[in-house]
Amino acid sequence: DADVTQTPRNRITKTGKRIMLECSQTKGHDRMYWYRQDPGLGLRLIYYSFDVKDINKGEISDGYSVSRQAQAKFSLSLESAIPNQTALYFCATGYYNEQFFGPGTRLTVL
Amino acid sequence: GQQVMQIPQYQHVQEGEDFTTYCNSSTTLSNIQWYKQRPGGHPVFLIQLVKSGEVKKQKRLTFQFGEAKKNSSLHITATQTTDVGTYFCADSSNTGKLIFGQGTTLQVKP
Repeated sequence: DADVTQTPRNRITKTGKRIMLECSQTKGHDRMYWYRQDPGLGLRLIYYSFDVKDINKGEISDGYSVSRQAQAKFSLSLESAIPNQTALYFCATGYYNEQFFGPGTRLTVL
Repeated sequence: GQQVMQIPQYQHVQEGEDFTTYCNSSTTLSNIQWYKQRPGGHPVFLIQLVKSGEVKKQKRLTFQFGEAKKNSSLHITATQTTDVGTYFCADSSNTGKLIFGQGTTLQVKP
């Protein structure tokens, strides 16, 4: 079984809709991260959490929110999706010396 | 904020040729991590370099960290079709946050 899972794997939604992307990990790590990937821009950090009570904004947090429901679960929400949030989203867990990524969620906002 | 520049963006090589991707920063990098993302896949950790001037090898892959810790490189000797993918460098601070370069996409012609 995969150490980091993401649901859904693909999602098409409309502008203005609220959407939640979920992430679970079985690595037992405290730290979890959300990134988005756009062609030519690499991966950019949206939010990160070092434990259940610790949530931090990353480089591009505007338009996003997160919830850390448990050590193993970290969800990303788009309160009102817009087309420029169309991207590939990755959840990751790990420490400062290595991160483990989930398979990604491909989100399309029409 | 911290920026990590990676070049080239794309590289097409004939199988058996060598390949190098470069990672540069205007400020001192904390540690450098390298990841590989296969087409349609997720980033997978390759290695972390910590020390100034450090050189590490993994079979046909050679990773270097510059003396001033402002640049790093990944060199692949005698590429194979299995090397296809996008290679990312990332500045890794002790906070656990990763600042990624834009990535270099390698295509290998058999």
